[in-house]
Amino acid sequence: EAGVAQSPRYKIIEKRQSVAFWCNPISGHATLYWYQQILGQGPKLLIQFQNNGVVDDSQLPKDRFSAERLKGVDSTLKIQPAKLEDSAVYLCASSSAIQGRAEAFFGQGTRLTVV
Amino acid sequence: ILNVEQSPQSLHVQEGDSTNFTCSFPSSNFYALHWYRWETAKSPEALFVMTLNGDEKKKGRISATLNTKEGYSYLYIKGSQPEDSATYLCAFSRGFQKLVFGTGTRLLVSP
Repeated sequence: EAGVAQSPRYKIIEKRQSVAFWCNPISGHATLYWYQQILGQGPKLLIQFQNNGVVDDSQLPKDRFSAERLKGVDSTLKIQPAKLEDSAVYLCASSSAIQGRAEAFFGQGTRLTVV
Repeated sequence: ILNVEQSPQSLHVQEGDSTNFTCSFPSSNFYALHWYRWETAKSPEALFVMTLNGDEKKKGRISATLNTKEGYSYLYIKGSQPEDSATYLCAFSRGFQKLVFGTGTRLLVSP
């Protein structure tokens, strides 16, 4: 079974530039999560999709972050414009259930450095 | 805001030592508690998903217990090996909602 694919693995951009991350979840998984993990902290949920609908985006900084999940499969997360504090690892995960009792499968993450 | 706390933040043990970590979470409206292992340069990987008070789960040398009434879970590693070096994350769910992660416990096992 193919795992969760993310790209790119690494990205370095200057502040105020834009960046986009891509995630392809495990086939058939309805739930997709984007997490932000800042060094020294636990992963923080940015947005959760159920198929192509948003379940929770309460911690997504909507003035600069956006995300979409096309046709309930692939997803992209965009930052525009980036700030220094956006430097983090962005993790995508997928799960077969929304209720929180199915394990989440993670991609390898995108390490973003904003300079 | 849900608060999930893990302790200790980091731990350095010798090969062969047994160790344990704690995850504390809100005891109300419990739905599930997850444990993940995150090795450097790899993806976080699920160890256990626990749903019932008193649950005990085991995978090889790693085991976990769950107390939903008092809001804590313990993760035990028996006879630590260098390959156990990783960050161990717990995550709490109230159902139909997000998985809220703790900050993790970073374990280093020296040969």
